[in-house]
Amino acid sequence: QVQLQESGPGLVRPSEILSLTCTVSGGSISSYYWSWIRQPPGKGLEWIGYIYNSGSTNYNPSLKSRVTILIDMSKNQFSLKLSSVTAADTAVYYCARRKACSGGKCFDPFDYWGQGTLVTVSS
Amino acid sequence: DIQMTQSPPSLSASVGDRLTITCRASQSISIYLNWYQQKPGKAPKLLIYGASSLQSGVPSRFSGSGSGTDFTLTISSLQPEDFATYYCQQSYITPRTFGQGTKVEIK
Repeated sequence: QVQLQESGPGLVRPSEILSLTCTVSGGSISSYYWSWIRQPPGKGLEWIGYIYNSGSTNYNPSLKSRVTILIDMSKNQFSLKLSSVTAADTAVYYCARRKACSGGKCFDPFDYWGQGTLVTVSS
Repeated sequence: DIQMTQSPPSLSASVGDRLTITCRASQSISIYLNWYQQKPGKAPKLLIYGASSLQSGVPSRFSGSGSGTDFTLTISSLQPEDFATYYCQQSYITPRTFGQGTKVEIK
């Protein structure tokens, strides 16, 4: 059974860099797309971006200038860095896997999620 | 970006009720529509993908339909464990976007 686990600081100072890691267990990180998604307290879900095992990435334009997603195949991990954070970046951050194509069809839902980690931006 | 609009934002229902939640996309997304269930303090759980395909392990009382811009999630007979918030999400283009959620509460 695939499991994802987020890790990283729960408190980040304004203007600094938010850094999180997602560790994948129970399966290989290769051959899948991996995403970061966030949810401000009491609000809806926002897709941040994804990465493939080749290192190719796709970011939400609303965050693109501040986001970097990297992958470490040797550790079965991928990471998120978000720079110049403000209070608006306070959220529960989830890592998630994009479901593999089936029968030649790719609908790209997120089928496995981490439990989420709350990151608060505050001085 | 494609805007996803769910209705209603919240509803009250009883165990055994048939429930329908709607999701409308701001442009056609074919059948690239997915539904998730989220309970408080938990990560979202995939229910339906490709508008109508049931994710493995999800009870058959959940079903989805629609194409183009209009979609529905139906729960045929609401169970106590179904009280949660439901989100639709388009996977037609990036950025991926979600609806604002529909909270299903106990009447």
